[in-house]
Amino acid sequence: EVQLVESGGGLVQPGGSLRLSCAVSGFTLSDHYMDWVRQDPGKGLEWVGRIRNKVNGDTTEYAASVKGRFTISRDDSKNSLYLQMNSLKADDTAVYYCVRDQTLYGGTAYAFDIWGQGTMVTVSS
Amino acid sequence: DIQMTQSPSSLSASVGDRVTITCRASQGIGNYLAWFQQKPGKAPKSLIYSASSLQSGVPSKFSGSGSGTDFTLTISSLQPEDFATYYCQQYRTYPLTFGQGTRLEIK
Repeated sequence: EVQLVESGGGLVQPGGSLRLSCAVSGFTLSDHYMDWVRQDPGKGLEWVGRIRNKVNGDTTEYAASVKGRFTISRDDSKNSLYLQMNSLKADDTAVYYCVRDQTLYGGTAYAFDIWGQGTMVTVSS
Repeated sequence: DIQMTQSPSSLSASVGDRVTITCRASQGIGNYLAWFQQKPGKAPKSLIYSASSLQSGVPSKFSGSGSGTDFTLTISSLQPEDFATYYCQQYRTYPLTFGQGTRLEIK
């Protein structure tokens, strides 16, 4: 069974840092691009960023709202995805989901397919 | 950024009804469009990709159509478990963007 399990959420003060982890099982992580998506409770979904797989250089893309503050990384040997969040602001308060991508059209497009259950991050003093 | 606009924002329907939700992109995205279902307190679930392809395990009562800027999600024969919030998302260009959501409620 394919599973993505996030952890590392919690309460952090403005300006602080937090590292989220996403442990995956049931598939080969190295085959997939992965994303982070967040959701302010009671509000809509916001894409945070993406990391490509090793074949495509482990390169990353970020939303403008987090670029320069958040870093996505992966350790395929540990079946894990990470989101390092620095200089946190109240606006970063949200449930954070890791999401697996499926490869489409021989690698020219990548769509979300499997979501984790999410981990809550609260930025408050 | 590509803006995704869903309509309506909320919708009331009865069990057994057929409903359609619309998603419009601010510029053409081909068929790089996905739909998700989210129930309260739960993670989103992927329903459709490439505008009209069902994810594995998704029942055929869900169907998607469209290309370019205008897309629809149709749910036939509504059942109690279908009442949820639905989101569209474009993955044509970065940043990936979502519609604001359509809340489907029981009438």
